[in-house]
Amino acid sequence: DGGITQSPKYLFRKEGQNVTLSCEQNLNHDAMYWYRQDPGQGLRLIYYSQIVNDFQKGDIAEGYSVSREKKESFPLTVTSAQKNPTAFYLCASSPRTGGGFSQPQHFGDGTRLSIL
Amino acid sequence: QQQVKQSPQSLIVQKGGIPIINCAYENTAFDYFPWYQQFPGKGPALLIAIRPDVSEKKEGRFTISFNKSAKQFSLHIMDSQPGDSATYFCAASKGGGGSNYKLTFGKGTLLTVNP
Repeated sequence: DGGITQSPKYLFRKEGQNVTLSCEQNLNHDAMYWYRQDPGQGLRLIYYSQIVNDFQKGDIAEGYSVSREKKESFPLTVTSAQKNPTAFYLCASSPRTGGGFSQPQHFGDGTRLSIL
Repeated sequence: QQQVKQSPQSLIVQKGGIPIINCAYENTAFDYFPWYQQFPGKGPALLIAIRPDVSEKKEGRFTISFNKSAKQFSLHIMDSQPGDSATYFCAASKGGGGSNYKLTFGKGTLLTVNP
């Protein structure tokens, strides 16, 4: 089955520690995205990548970093600079945009990050 | 600046009722309006989407109504069932290349369908 796999499902971070969230997709999608979801809030975009070896900051990139070395993988690192990391993190992917039109994004089942 | 405003925050209906969730947007360059359904502990799942060249789209029990002049769109769920109880998000994005195609989400509506 094609889909997006996020791991781990739950993650705990100690003070001053960097943690990395994994996102793998086998949908052959070019674009990948990371969102943060807080209770009662919509999804806010952290970083996105339209193609391998390229990525752009979203609306709330401070305290986060990403890499896109392979088409199927887009890991997110939550650094110690992110002072409020407790949230539900969602990874998504979409096909390459065609004809200048947006394409649907498909989501994984998320990683819940908490501070110890 | 919230570019997509969603209402209501929560909604309770009886089984068989027709809940309606509304969204309003500001950016006239938006060209894609999806709705997502999210169950607790899961990622959002794409439910239905519309582009601004049509005023209505129906898929099964779910219908999107789109009013371009008012910059509003809404989700209607016909014959709602307890299994439809979830959080629903509207979103919008614009095409055109470059840094576009980012989805801007509303804050969500928690729908409860009572048996």
